[in-house]
Amino acid sequence: DVKVTQSSRYLVKRTGEKVFLECVQDMDHENMFWYRQDPGLGLRLIYFSYDVKMKEKGDIPEGYSVSREKKERFSLILESASTNQTSMYLCASSPLAGGNTGELFFGEGSRLTVL
Amino acid sequence: QKEVEQNSGPLSVPEGAIASLNCTYSDRGSQSFFWYRQYSGKSPELIMSIYSNGDKEDGRFTAQLNKASQYVSLLIRDSQPSDSATYLCVGDSNYQLIWGAGTKLIIKP
Repeated sequence: DVKVTQSSRYLVKRTGEKVFLECVQDMDHENMFWYRQDPGLGLRLIYFSYDVKMKEKGDIPEGYSVSREKKERFSLILESASTNQTSMYLCASSPLAGGNTGELFFGEGSRLTVL
Repeated sequence: QKEVEQNSGPLSVPEGAIASLNCTYSDRGSQSFFWYRQYSGKSPELIMSIYSNGDKEDGRFTAQLNKASQYVSLLIRDSQPSDSATYLCVGDSNYQLIWGAGTKLIIKP
């Protein structure tokens, strides 16, 4: 089975803190994604990556950055957390390079609260 | 702006009945559609994909796509309480995924 593991299920941080969310997948997938999910808004894409060292902005990249130093690991960084970044963060991977079939495998999610 | 619209619900269906979930999409260029199920507090999981007009059946689930009407649906036959979840409709438009906000389905025993 494909496994996507997110490092933290629940985090509480203070405004201005730097936050790292880590995601590891064990199926050698090329594509990895970071989404946030808020009630009534659906999933919104923050960043994605089709290869190591490669990153592309999604729909809402402001306030976030990412790192993909190894194929299996994709990290989301909040340089200076703000209260409007309180959300559920979902990491996902998919197996096809150069495209997105929509068949994503999700991690369990990281619920971040910024006070 | 490309959109996928779903009624947020909740949609309440008696156990054993057919649950019908619908979504509409704005981008005529969308070629592929996906249905994800998300239990409360859990992450989404893919349950159906459909790539061409018509019906696609998988067990108790049937996905339907009508590109002329820009309409996608998911039918769940013999609904079970374990089907209670939020169902997310997703369109693939030129390798960009467009997510609906989801319909909450409640199956009443």
